[in-house]
Amino acid sequence: GAGVSQSPSNKVTEKGKDVELRCDPISGHTALYWYRQSLGQGLEFLIYFQGNSAPDKSGLPSDRFSAERTGGSVSTLTIQRTQQEDSAVYLCASSSSPTVTYNEQFFGPGTRLTVL
Amino acid sequence: QQQVKQSPQSLIVQKGGISIINCAYENTAFDYFPWYQQFPGKGPALLIAIRPDVSEKKEGRFTISFNKSAKQFSLHIMDSQPGDSATYFCACEQVTSGSRLTFGEGTQLTVNP
Repeated sequence: GAGVSQSPSNKVTEKGKDVELRCDPISGHTALYWYRQSLGQGLEFLIYFQGNSAPDKSGLPSDRFSAERTGGSVSTLTIQRTQQEDSAVYLCASSSSPTVTYNEQFFGPGTRLTVL
Repeated sequence: QQQVKQSPQSLIVQKGGISIINCAYENTAFDYFPWYQQFPGKGPALLIAIRPDVSEKKEGRFTISFNKSAKQFSLHIMDSQPGDSATYFCACEQVTSGSRLTFGEGTQLTVNP
């Protein structure tokens, strides 16, 4: 595929359940980011992966949130024991060589998570 | 603490008019300032960006004006068109910190025909 893809596009879950959100970045992009967009809010940084380096987890709002990136490609964002305040659109972005020069981040369409 | 403040929250202009969106930042370590455009149901897409060593950048109908001393920058959309109706986000980036983006709150632009 030419762009960043995310799945599922929509996820409805019950409070207390765990959810997994998937991101397939653009092939060859070494950097991958997760952001959260709450209703009527801007985008909030969650976590950043760059190559084989330890991820920057400084934006994760609580220890219920975790993410991994396997083989330097696909990433999964996991939210455990979901709460209603976790309802948001979760966006994934990828870019190439972000620490060397200014590189555009390409965003996926997002996963809309609704916690009932 | 909101590091990037964006205004207005919403903006309505007539076709052919000028749309102006403003952003102010606090962290002087930011070194790249992109604007993203987002249509409903889509992810944001880069529209135009500027580095702090220039005061203005123009691409077609879109212009960024940058004031480093005031820590402010703005997006100007000339000859606004209905197809420009979208949400616009300013962002700030620090390349040495992995280019994570710090976004403003967004501006909902509506261009009436």
